[in-house]
Amino acid sequence: QSALTQPPSASGSPGQSVTISCTGTSSDVGGYNYVSWYQQHPGKAPKLMIYEVTKRPSGVPDRFSGSKSGNTASLTVSGLQAEDEADYYCSSYAGSNNYVFGTGTKVTVL
Amino acid sequence: QVQLVQSGAEVKKPGASVKVSCNTSGYTFTSSRVTWVRQAPGQGLEWMGCINSYNNNTDYAQKFQGRVTMTTDTSTSTAYMELRSLRSDDTAVYYCARGITIFGVVRRFDPWGQGTLVTVSS
Repeated sequence: QSALTQPPSASGSPGQSVTISCTGTSSDVGGYNYVSWYQQHPGKAPKLMIYEVTKRPSGVPDRFSGSKSGNTASLTVSGLQAEDEADYYCSSYAGSNNYVFGTGTKVTVL
Repeated sequence: QVQLVQSGAEVKKPGASVKVSCNTSGYTFTSSRVTWVRQAPGQGLEWMGCINSYNNNTDYAQKFQGRVTMTTDTSTSTAYMELRSLRSDDTAVYYCARGITIFGVVRRFDPWGQGTLVTVSS
C-alpha cells in the first residue's frame, strides 16, 4: 500500500487561507468517505482535526474544513493563526481493514 | 476523559524484540479497536495494524506481517505491540491510538498515546 501524496510544504500569512491536498487512488481516497486529517506539532502526538472527509470533532475550530473530489481530499485552514503552524497528515481507509497515511505537509505561518 | 498512556522509551540491539504497552482509560475498552502507528525520525506516519479489543482479531500492514504481534489484556484495558527481529530502520516513535469503529470500519484514530521511542542500535 503506497502512501497518499501530499505537498511537502504550504504557507500563508496570518488571516489567510491555506489548502493542503491528499491524492490517492480509487482503492483508498476515491473509494471511501473515510478520510481523516491529523495535526502534529513538533515532539507531540498527532491530533484529529477532520474525519469522514468533512466532519469536525468537538473542540476543533471551524476554521478547519475538509472536502473530497475523486481521488483527492483537501484540508483548508482559513484565518491562519500562529498556532496552526504544524505538520498535517491525511489518512484513508484502503479496504480489507487496511489504512494508509499521507506523506505529510509542513504548514508555515509567515 | 479518554486517555492512552504508553510505556517508556526502549533501547534494543539488532535482532532483539520490543514490546510496547498502551494503557487505556475513560471508555469501554472492548468497544473500540487499538491502532498502532510509527514515525521514524524526521519521517511521516506509518500504519502498522489494528487489534479488535472485543474479539482480539488483528489486521496487520503487509510490511509487518510475520514480525509484529498485537494483543490486549481486557482485565487492565491495555494493548500491546511486539515487534521482533529489530533492525536499525525500526528506530521510531511508536504510537497507539483508539480506533473508533462503526459498521466494522475504523472511522478515525482519536485520541493518541504520547508515543514510545524505540531505538535500535548495536
